[in-house]
Amino acid sequence: QVQLQQSGAELVKPGSSVKISCKASGYTFTSYDMHWIKQQPGNGLEWIGWIYPGNGNTKYNQKFNGKATLTADKSSSTAYMQLSSLTSEDSAVYFCAAGAYWGQGTLVTVSS
Amino acid sequence: DIQMTQSPSFLSASVGDRVTINCKASQNINKYLNWYQQKLGEAPKRLIYNTNNLQTGIPSRFSGSGSGTDYTLTISSLQPEDFATYFCLQHNSFPWTFGGGTKLELK
Repeated sequence: QVQLQQSGAELVKPGSSVKISCKASGYTFTSYDMHWIKQQPGNGLEWIGWIYPGNGNTKYNQKFNGKATLTADKSSSTAYMQLSSLTSEDSAVYFCAAGAYWGQGTLVTVSS
Repeated sequence: DIQMTQSPSFLSASVGDRVTINCKASQNINKYLNWYQQKLGEAPKRLIYNTNNLQTGIPSRFSGSGSGTDYTLTISSLQPEDFATYFCLQHNSFPWTFGGGTKLELK
């Protein structure tokens, strides 16, 4: 069955960066674009962007340009999202999603 | 960006009730509208894609309809496991945007 297994929760300091992973299994990694979504309590859901793992093409929500960088490694069927220059506004749960399937989410907490 | 206005934000209902949740887009989204269910602490689950296509494995009491700017999720007879938060997603144009969510609570 399709699974998207995300990396664990992160506690990071303001101004730093963090890289979240999403390992896909149960399907051909290049069959679906991999999307990333941000969820904050009270602020709902925001679509960050997608990457096509087949060739690395990306599309970003302009709001996240310069904040998020999406990459994918076909050899390990893993997608990554790096978030940079972190502030408290980046504290959220981040999901990867491919087709109908979502990862379990990764909580990122930005705090000194 | 396309704005998705979802209503109601909160809904109290009983087991067996028929409920509807609405999403209104700020412009035509050509039926590129998905519905999701999310329970506390879990990943969202896709129920309906492209307005009215039931995701494999989702009970037939869930249905979707709509066109243009107005879309509806209907649950024909609420079951205990349906009490959750529901939200819509438009994927007609970038950036994809979500509705604000509807929390369905037991009356």
